[in-house]
Amino acid sequence: EAGVTQFPSHSVIEKGQTVTLRCDPISGHDNLYWYRRVMGKEIKFLLHFVKESKQDESGMPNNRFLAERTGGTYSTLKVQPAELEDSGVYFCASSQGGVPEAFFGQGTRLTVV
Amino acid sequence: GQSLEQPSEVTAVEGAIVQINCTYQTSGFYGLSWYQQHDGGAPTFLSYNALDGLEETGRFSSFLSRSDSYGYLLLQELQMKDSASYFCAVRDRGSTGGFKTIFGAGTRLFVKA
Repeated sequence: EAGVTQFPSHSVIEKGQTVTLRCDPISGHDNLYWYRRVMGKEIKFLLHFVKESKQDESGMPNNRFLAERTGGTYSTLKVQPAELEDSGVYFCASSQGGVPEAFFGQGTRLTVV
Repeated sequence: GQSLEQPSEVTAVEGAIVQINCTYQTSGFYGLSWYQQHDGGAPTFLSYNALDGLEETGRFSSFLSRSDSYGYLLLQELQMKDSASYFCAVRDRGSTGGFKTIFGAGTRLFVKA
């Protein structure tokens, strides 16, 4: 069974550009989470989807970040326009309903220069 | 809001026992998880405690005291491959009713020969 996959693995963009990160969760997992880790700090919660609905987006830093989950399957996280402080590793995780174990992808390392 | 505290670094020798502590503050606590992350890799689930007490899984054990808002991860018979970052994470029921997992900053474990 395939795990959580994220694309791209690395992205280097200039300040002001747009980047879209993609996450394919494990098939059948209703819960999908986005997290960000900056410079060795905590893995910070961004938002949580249940199927195609945003359950909790309290961690989204500002309106430059837009997350979608099409048909309850894959999800995208768009940053537009990117700023220097958006640099970090963006992780996606998925889990089955009611199960505490979350499966993480390998992350997308975003560098904004 | 939520907060978790854990030591930033721990060093131990191969074959020894190490304990990584975690204290937390959250309003909708449901349980405490532990994740392991090797450099450049994805966080992987180790354990989950919803009730007070000790859970043992092979060389790893996890403890929770809900009244003290405290838990720890115990690693026995340390091996070099255990060198990694270890995150405690609170499963929290937010105001929207959904569950989300909030992570601490992680403890970097160095295992020496």
